[in-house]
Amino acid sequence: AQTVTQSQPEMSVQEAETVTLSCTYDTSESDYYLFWYKQPPSRQMILVIRQEAYKQQNATENRFSVNFQKAAKSFSLKISDSQLGDAAMYFCAYQGGSEKLVFGKGMKLTVNP
Amino acid sequence: DGGITQSPKYLFRKEGQNVTLSCEQNLNHDAMYWYRQDPGQGLRLIYYSQIVNDFQKGDIAEGYSVSREKKESFPLTVTSAQKNPTAFYLCASSIARVSIYEQYFGPGTRLTVT
Repeated sequence: AQTVTQSQPEMSVQEAETVTLSCTYDTSESDYYLFWYKQPPSRQMILVIRQEAYKQQNATENRFSVNFQKAAKSFSLKISDSQLGDAAMYFCAYQGGSEKLVFGKGMKLTVNP
Repeated sequence: DGGITQSPKYLFRKEGQNVTLSCEQNLNHDAMYWYRQDPGQGLRLIYYSQIVNDFQKGDIAEGYSVSREKKESFPLTVTSAQKNPTAFYLCASSIARVSIYEQYFGPGTRLTVT
């Protein structure tokens, strides 16, 4: 079974600084997708970014980018120019051959003004 | 606006009572999902459905039941057999694009059972 691990339960960053959230996963599949979801205090889950495993190029969405290391099974999220609105729980998720998503336990990000 | 609605936002029940959480989507998505979220546990899959009148158990289906009579609706019943029903419940839906099943989430329902 696939597993997703987010080893840091909490992190903090100063406004306008850069922060990197780590995620590792375990799978024997070669084709899969990886996602980062954000859950602000409203608890609405919002898709931040996704990465297709067959693509070598790292995905980027405005201030959010990933560092996808397929051999190491690592999928970190970098948030540049952090804003107060980035404060949230962040979940890493894996989707392989089935349509089911496997989530990590999440990481709470605090943004300090 | 297209989206997923869950109602109510907060729900209170007495122990021993069944309770049904609603989930409606107007995104024309084929697949729908129910997750449970507990502090420090992330999201765990309860049930999912790929087409009308068909659904599969997820990782923690015991004590829950679902139905999928319409494409737009996927209600979840928390039965009295669920030993720890107090949790935050999230509904999601997805449309298959090639092989990716990008999921969109509703706002969630906080269930408290006393």
